[in-house]
Amino acid sequence: NAGVTQTPKFQVLKTGQSMTLQCAQDMNHNSMYWYRQDPGMGLRLIYYSASEGTTDKGEVPNGYNVSRLNKREFSLRLESAAPSQTSVYFCASTEQGSSNQPQHFGDGTRLSIL
Amino acid sequence: AQKITQTQPGMFVQEKEAVTLDCTYDTSDQSYGLFWYKQPSSGEMIFLIYQGSYDEQNATEGRYSLNFQKARKSANLVISASQLGDSAMYFCAMRDPGGNKLTFGTGTQLKVEL
Repeated sequence: NAGVTQTPKFQVLKTGQSMTLQCAQDMNHNSMYWYRQDPGMGLRLIYYSASEGTTDKGEVPNGYNVSRLNKREFSLRLESAAPSQTSVYFCASTEQGSSNQPQHFGDGTRLSIL
Repeated sequence: AQKITQTQPGMFVQEKEAVTLDCTYDTSDQSYGLFWYKQPSSGEMIFLIYQGSYDEQNATEGRYSLNFQKARKSANLVISASQLGDSAMYFCAMRDPGGNKLTFGTGTQLKVEL
């Protein structure tokens, strides 16, 4: 009954370091998403993958790259971390085209960049 | 572009009382979906309730109901018989017609008091 699993849960990086956040879902969902949550700003979409083999930019894609490795896995990469990328990152998944189905979220990754 | 506005940064309610959390939205789309999520202090995002733009009846899920007023572009969450465990951050979100993107509001922090 795992749902959406994110790793790691916490990470501290130095400015300029690179890092990949991992996300896997076991619900056979087509669509996957990466959000960031900053205080007072709600969740903002970074990138999404509507289906295996496709990725698209969201509201705040700068400084990030993504890879839809297969139907289950969707990773987020910070190539050169900056303090402005300190945030809580959430991965989510849902059925594509099912407008009444909610997105299911992982527990989040707390990322601090010094 | 879609926009969600939650004007109540914080709310207090007495245990066993009902509380309404406000959400207004702006969109030029005819087809859209509205969601409410709960985020307790532990950080996970929990789906509460969904309302489709063409749904004629207000959605209900247990103690949660959604007061949907399409002409006023509002989708307020009503929690009946508040419990201490309802203390959390609550987010309103809207899905675009393509079903691929959620736009979140900034959230309302609810505190239930004895």
